Amino acid sequence: DQQVKQNSPSLSVQEGRISILNCDYTNSMFDYFLWYKKYPAEGPTFLISISSIKDKNEDGRFTVFLNKSAKHLSLHIVPSQPGDSAVYFCAASFSGGSNYKLTFGKGTLLTVNP
Amino acid sequence: GAVVSQHPSWVICKSGTSVKIECRSLDFQATTMFWYRQFPKQSLMLMATSNEGSKATYEQGVEKDKFLINHASLTLSTLTVTSAHPEDSSFYICSASPGISPLHFGNGTRLTVT
Repeated sequence: DQQVKQNSPSLSVQEGRISILNCDYTNSMFDYFLWYKKYPAEGPTFLISISSIKDKNEDGRFTVFLNKSAKHLSLHIVPSQPGDSAVYFCAASFSGGSNYKLTFGKGTLLTVNP
Repeated sequence: GAVVSQHPSWVICKSGTSVKIECRSLDFQATTMFWYRQFPKQSLMLMATSNEGSKATYEQGVEKDKFLINHASLTLSTLTVTSAHPEDSSFYICSASPGISPLHFGNGTRLTVT
């Protein structure tokens, strides 16, 4: 049972445009959400996170939106750059579980075309 | 920022042999480290939680006798794949946190069992 779902395996956008990556979750106990970026043959790199007490968190070109009622979050990248091309993983955890025990989605491959 | 180092980055071994993968936190102490496994085009699956000075906690379906974890110090955890078989071929990634989220990941180890 996939508790964190990224239904789009891939996304292609033009440089300078907005990239929107989506993530849905089923476990209402999740209260902390993260986005990681991963290049081939490398470990994931942390991008941005959001706590369930917020509905938006912004860091430079990256903004994460959380809709708790819909159990949905999204990552917006604007403007998109070719260097943003990578696999993006959505991850979730909850306070009651082991510290930092993350459940990951399957990832979305983002390609930013020059 | 927090750095997690993993070694080796890739290894090829013959079926039936054992392989040890090291995970080190370079600039912080980690009482807990996590071992993940990723199959191609799949999400990162948590295998086990490595606890310094005590036994590791394994996720359901992960054979503890096959994937031996040792967390002998606050900066080192090792994962040993015993009697490796081709189906154990995968990308293994460790992670740790300096106590303040988020998790930082190593660069992973690509294991190929022939």
